[in-house]
Amino acid sequence: AQTVTQSQPEMSVQEAETVTLSCTYDTSENNYYLFWYKQPPSRQMILVIRQEAYKQQNATENRFSVNFQKAAKSFSLKISDSQLGDTAMYFCAFRVGGSQGNLIFGKGTKLSVKP
Amino acid sequence: DAGVTQSPTHLIKTRGQQVTLRCSPISGHKSVSWYQQVLGQGPQFIFQYYEKEERGRGNFPDRFSARQFPNYSSELNVNALLLGDSALYLCASTPFGPRAYEQYFGPGTRLTVT
Repeated sequence: AQTVTQSQPEMSVQEAETVTLSCTYDTSENNYYLFWYKQPPSRQMILVIRQEAYKQQNATENRFSVNFQKAAKSFSLKISDSQLGDTAMYFCAFRVGGSQGNLIFGKGTKLSVKP
Repeated sequence: DAGVTQSPTHLIKTRGQQVTLRCSPISGHKSVSWYQQVLGQGPQFIFQYYEKEERGRGNFPDRFSARQFPNYSSELNVNALLLGDSALYLCASTPFGPRAYEQYFGPGTRLTVT
């Protein structure tokens, strides 16, 4: 069975600083996808960044980047130049490959950006 | 294009009652998934539908059922509500083609069972 673990229940960072959120996963699959979702207090789950397991290059989306270590089954999210609007719950999620499949989520990390 | 929409936004029901939640996917998306998110936890997968057929089911009791309509909208039904069914119910739709592994979520329906 696949599992996703987020070991940091809460984190805080000063505005404009950089923060890294950790995620590890367990799977025997070789073809899969990893995601980070953001859920602000408004509760809308927003896709932040995605990584295909077959790609060695780490994904980047503006201020968000990942450090994907396939052998270690680690998938951390780095947020640069943190903004107050980044305050939210962040969920790491895993999905096996194929056209159909469900997401498996971690328990989330609550990030607070302080002015 | 409009995102995933869900109705109602909030719902309060009594134990033993039945509830129906609705979801409309992003235009052009043919797959819909339902998740339950209990307070303080990550979402848990309930169902996935593609082209009106069930393609996946999570570890939920038979009190939970769903269906997908020809226009790809979906309903989630929960019978004999329990206090433990209180949660945020999220619907997600999936595009067809090279991004078929992505899921886009709606704002959710907050269900409170008293």
